[in-house]
Amino acid sequence: DVKVTQSSRYLVKRTGEKVFLECVQDMDHENMFWYRQDPGLGLRLIYFSYDVKMKEKGDIPEGYSVSREKKERFSLILESASTNQTSMYLCASTPGQQFGQYFGPGTRLTVT
Amino acid sequence: QKEVEQNSGPLSVPEGAIASLNCTYSDRGSQSFFWYRQYSGKSPELIMFIYSNGDKEDGRFTAQLNKASQYVSLLIRDSQPSDSATYLCAATNAGNMLTFGGGTRLMVKP
Repeated sequence: DVKVTQSSRYLVKRTGEKVFLECVQDMDHENMFWYRQDPGLGLRLIYFSYDVKMKEKGDIPEGYSVSREKKERFSLILESASTNQTSMYLCASTPGQQFGQYFGPGTRLTVT
Repeated sequence: QKEVEQNSGPLSVPEGAIASLNCTYSDRGSQSFFWYRQYSGKSPELIMFIYSNGDKEDGRFTAQLNKASQYVSLLIRDSQPSDSATYLCAATNAGNMLTFGGGTRLMVKP
């Protein structure tokens, strides 16, 4: 079974804090993704990576950055958290898009 | 903008009935299609994929694809209250990225 884990299920941070969300997959997948999901807005792609040290912007990259130093690990960074970044953050991985994406359990982030 | 469209619902069906969930896509280059189930507060779970025109069955689930009409559906036979969830349709596009629909909320009433 594909296993994608995320560092926290729930996180509460203050405005202006630097926030790290970590995602690890154990299936040697090359492709990893970060989404946020908000009611009425669906899944929105923030960043993705096709290889180590490689990153591509998704549809809503503003206010976020990512890091992929190892194949199994893809981190999402909020440089200075704001209240409009309160959301469910979902990490996903896949060996290839034709196989679909496998999601981690998600991190519900609240920024106060 | 390449899109995947779903009726947001809720779609309400009685227990034991067939639930029919529909999805249309705009990119004729789409090759692979997926159905995800998402329970409230949880992450999406891949339950079905289909690549070829026609039907694909897996237990109580049947995925149907009609590329000419750009239409994908998911049938759930003998619906159970535990099937109550939001179902997301997704399609790969010509750039080999996955595009998700907004999801249909299914409610199965005992």
